[in-house]
Amino acid sequence: DVKVTQSSRYLVKRTGEKVFLECVQDMDHENMFWYRQDPGLGLRLIYFSYDVKMKEKGDIPEGYSVSREKKERFSLILESASTNQTSMYLCASSFATTNSNQPQHFGDGTRLSIL
Amino acid sequence: AQKVTQAQTEISVVEKEDVTLDCVYETRDTTYYLFWYKQPPSGELVFLIRRNSFDEQNEISGRYSWNFQKSTSSFNFTITASQVVDSAVYFCALSDPNSGNTPLVFGKGTRLSVIA
Repeated sequence: DVKVTQSSRYLVKRTGEKVFLECVQDMDHENMFWYRQDPGLGLRLIYFSYDVKMKEKGDIPEGYSVSREKKERFSLILESASTNQTSMYLCASSFATTNSNQPQHFGDGTRLSIL
Repeated sequence: AQKVTQAQTEISVVEKEDVTLDCVYETRDTTYYLFWYKQPPSGELVFLIRRNSFDEQNEISGRYSWNFQKSTSSFNFTITASQVVDSAVYFCALSDPNSGNTPLVFGKGTRLSVIA
């Protein structure tokens, strides 16, 4: 079975802190994704990566950056955390194909609170 | 632009009732894929089904069934004889294979509560 592991289930940080959310997958997937989930807004894509050291902006990249130094690991960075970044963060991964029909596999999520 | 609409924000049913979750999508492409995911209270999204736009056959898996109708751009999900364990948020999603590795476009989800 595919395993996508997010480093923390719950995290509390203070405004202005630099926050790192880590995600590791064990199925050699090329693609990795970061979403945030908010009530009434569904899942919104922050960033994704289709290869090591490659990244693409999603729908809401402002205030975030990412790092993919190894194929299995995709990190989301909040450069200077703000209260409006309090949310559930979901990491996902999938195989890359020419016709993007592969399902994404998700981690358990990190519920981040910024105080 | 691609869009997925799940008009039902929340649904409550009594155990053993059948329930249908609606999904309507928009895309200009003739080839695409549709997905359903389940998110139980634990938080992890669980993949349920993938459907190719060329395959309009309905699919049944146990108590779950999916009705894909290209003419109305809908991909509805029915749970027969619902159980408390079916309580979750369900997401419908769309992908465009012609865009390479473009991520999925998700609907906003439908929260299903099954009451014992």
